[in-house]
Amino acid sequence: GAGVSQSPSNKVTEKGKDVELRCDPISGHTALYWYRQSLGQGLEFLIYFQGNSAPDKSGLPSDRFSAERTGGSVSTLTIQRTQQEDSAVYLCASSRGQFNEQFFGPGTRLTVL
Amino acid sequence: KNEVEQSPQNLTAQEGEFITINCSYSVGISALHWLQQHPGGGIVSLFMLSSGKKKHGRLIATINIQEKHSSLHITASHPRDSAVYICAVRLYGGATNKLIFGTGTLLAVQP
Repeated sequence: GAGVSQSPSNKVTEKGKDVELRCDPISGHTALYWYRQSLGQGLEFLIYFQGNSAPDKSGLPSDRFSAERTGGSVSTLTIQRTQQEDSAVYLCASSRGQFNEQFFGPGTRLTVL
Repeated sequence: KNEVEQSPQNLTAQEGEFITINCSYSVGISALHWLQQHPGGGIVSLFMLSSGKKKHGRLIATINIQEKHSSLHITASHPRDSAVYICAVRLYGGATNKLIFGTGTLLAVQP
């Protein structure tokens, strides 16, 4: 079956511009996660959606970052007024339930010039 | 100090060798994951475990909850096993399922 998909695969933007990154989870998965992998650093948690519950936003690094999940499926991560330190690979994952194995998407590589 | 520590950071092995990667954590957890990331590739979940031992093909993962330690073993290693192996933990309690990651172990298996 189809896995987690993300778009675009690569995004180059200028400092100060807004960007939107999209994640399509596996059909039927109620939980969705966004992570970031910066060069030279490990993976870090950004935000977590579970069903209709309020999302866990505790990992978002600043108020320039926000995410939505519409209809319990597709999610969009928005970064406003991008900065060079936002350059990273942004990974999305989904799982069948709250405590099940997570399946990762291929990631979006964001470069802020 | 990171909540999740992996060792070694880098590992070079000859094809056929038995490989062990270690993960120690300092927080209470409800589960531990081992992930694999090939260069330029996506992340694949290898194991999720909360106790004991799991085996899949040539891969074995163990966890000791009392000692807060997990190991990933690769038997009869092969060049295609070359990748970054990442340990991640899910904190105990609460409603969130977010993971805290180790910094990864870069494995190179030479033919």
